[in-house]
Amino acid sequence: NAGVTQTPKFRVLKTGQSMTLLCAQDMNHEYMYWYRQDPGMGLRLIHYSVGEGTTAKGEVPDGYNVSRLKKQNFLLGLESAAPSQTSVYFCASSYPIGQGMSSGANVLTFGAGSRLTVL
Amino acid sequence: DAKTTQPTSMDCAEGRAANLPCNHSTISGNEYVYWYRQIHSQGPQYIIHGLKNNETNEMASLIITEDRKSSTLILPHATLRDTAVYYCITASNYQLIWGAGTKLIIKP
Repeated sequence: NAGVTQTPKFRVLKTGQSMTLLCAQDMNHEYMYWYRQDPGMGLRLIHYSVGEGTTAKGEVPDGYNVSRLKKQNFLLGLESAAPSQTSVYFCASSYPIGQGMSSGANVLTFGAGSRLTVL
Repeated sequence: DAKTTQPTSMDCAEGRAANLPCNHSTISGNEYVYWYRQIHSQGPQYIIHGLKNNETNEMASLIITEDRKSSTLILPHATLRDTAVYYCITASNYQLIWGAGTKLIIKP
């Protein structure tokens, strides 16, 4: 049981290049998330998905796109990378405890992170 | 912005109980209190959560005040491996808002 797996773990891009980060989970979780973390700060939500085929914007969605074609995978794309997107990216997944979010807690399982540098 | 307030850093002696406070004075009735920690640059790790009652699991205990405006995470016997940033979060849905957390340093 691998949990949440992110690939690649490290990547260096030049300004304007594009790339995709892949997140895969094997826990049959409904919800998946992409966060970014800058030095000395907490995590900020980029996009999230509450089920296969659905995505939604989080706090800092600009410059990123996502897709959830399969329940177990959540892809984060950068169409034209900028130095401001240099960060550590974390994927997470969860399944709400109880009957729906209004009555249940939401416990996240995180991947190990992907460190992206944009020059 | 995060809806919780935590000390920036704390120290604790190895083997002693580490008590990490968190203020969440604007918490609403259906919001849970979650605690996560992040060791070095690894992905955050879930510790415990609660709604109204105190909770305990194999990692820690969570004490929530009766008015729910603050809580304390207790690591009963801290070890060097508990050195990490600890995040206290309140949320009623899937959008957890993360603050900067408390840097807990366990000293030998």
